[in-house]
Amino acid sequence: DAKTTQPPSMDCAEGRAANLPCNHSTISGNEYVYWYRQIHSQGPQYIIHGLKNNETNEMASLIITEDRKSSTLILPHATLRDTAVYYCIVRPHGGLTGGGNKLTFGTGTQLKVEL
Amino acid sequence: KAGVTQTPRYLIKTRGQQVTLSCSPISGHRSVSWYQQTPGQGLQFLFEYFSETQRNKGNFPGRFSGRQFSNSRSEMNVSTLELGDSALYLCASSLDRIGELFFGEGSRLTVL
Repeated sequence: DAKTTQPPSMDCAEGRAANLPCNHSTISGNEYVYWYRQIHSQGPQYIIHGLKNNETNEMASLIITEDRKSSTLILPHATLRDTAVYYCIVRPHGGLTGGGNKLTFGTGTQLKVEL
Repeated sequence: KAGVTQTPRYLIKTRGQQVTLSCSPISGHRSVSWYQQTPGQGLQFLFEYFSETQRNKGNFPGRFSGRQFSNSRSEMNVSTLELGDSALYLCASSLDRIGELFFGEGSRLTVL
């Protein structure tokens, strides 16, 4: 599976947009970009995923560059409850190399939202 | 609907003992995966079961095993416990083998 690189930590003021970057320069054509977050001592929570088009849901937006080598997760109006470790994961879908639910988590980005 | 349920939530064992952890997936989900989380190694994939068959296995010794029952419930077992097995063990379920994974709250194992 392709590896991802994320900054270890970021700070954000409450109410402002949090933009979390992720590099995945070795991503393959059949690999999707997934984002999860883990609030302290809880199980990871799915946020969003995409292949090459920008995606938006009620939690966040995902912007994937045209060459697919990097992406940005955007939390439009961060709150204190968004303080968590955010994981960017690339994951193959289908085909002979489809990885099923074997996700490779990196070290993630610790986002701290402050007043 | 009910989420992924893991039992027990906390347990303490001593070296050499064995432990069995249980996971009840979300109703209708057929895939169950297990992950280990430690401060040093982070989140690591253990194995995945789908339709009672192991489909993927991570890089863990044979002391770690699992199974899935016909109702999709899953158990994992760790034999001959070592201090390094102290960790949060997370179970996740999904409808099939792609798409959104839903994680449980985990079972926190302490080995003394």
